[in-house]
Amino acid sequence: RKEVEQDPGPFNVPEGATVAFNCTYSNSASQSFFWYRQDCRKEPKLLMSVYSSGNEDGRFTAQLNRASQYISLLIRDSKLSDSATYLCVVPISSGSARQLTFGSGTQLTVLP
Amino acid sequence: DTGVSQDPRHKITKRGQNVTFRCDPISEHNRLYWYRQTLGQGPEFLTYFQNEAQLEKSRLLSDRFSAERPKGSFSTLEIQRTEQGDSAMYLCASRYGTASYNEQFFGPGTRLTVL
Repeated sequence: RKEVEQDPGPFNVPEGATVAFNCTYSNSASQSFFWYRQDCRKEPKLLMSVYSSGNEDGRFTAQLNRASQYISLLIRDSKLSDSATYLCVVPISSGSARQLTFGSGTQLTVLP
Repeated sequence: DTGVSQDPRHKITKRGQNVTFRCDPISEHNRLYWYRQTLGQGPEFLTYFQNEAQLEKSRLLSDRFSAERPKGSFSTLEIQRTEQGDSAMYLCASRYGTASYNEQFFGPGTRLTVL
């Protein structure tokens, strides 16, 4: 089983739609989680951090279910500018450091 | 621009040649990371520095790969005897502090093509 698994996508949704992405992780000791956004041929950028049961920032809501080892990202009222790849990220302890382990990403295209 | 910078942005080389990439992190960031990203995949951890000390290396980092951060500032990643399978985007990231929730800031990456 991969350490971080995401919905493969792609998701093609109309403007204004609500879309949700799922992510599962294998390391039950992980305490904090992240969603990064990556535009085509650009570097990943932090979208949201999730430390407790969830986090909300405007149209974006991240939820965490520790029992099921499951994280989700909900985007409401989708905009064309939301089109990107969304990466689920879990810090996993290895050796002396915590490494960020990325999922393969879920591609979102918001259509006019 | 005070973000993470990488040089070059693109590199095309022939199989068997050596290449070196440079990363300049955000100035106050003591932690520096190298990742590799191939098409359709998320970034994969390669190695990590705290100041000038290389504290972690992934199993992905074969003997042909070496990374340095000589003065705890910029870092270099060298690939010797490149292979076609080395073609990828090489990303550098930096952050400050020890808490796992501190955001990693990524550079624009160096896209390597091995012919």
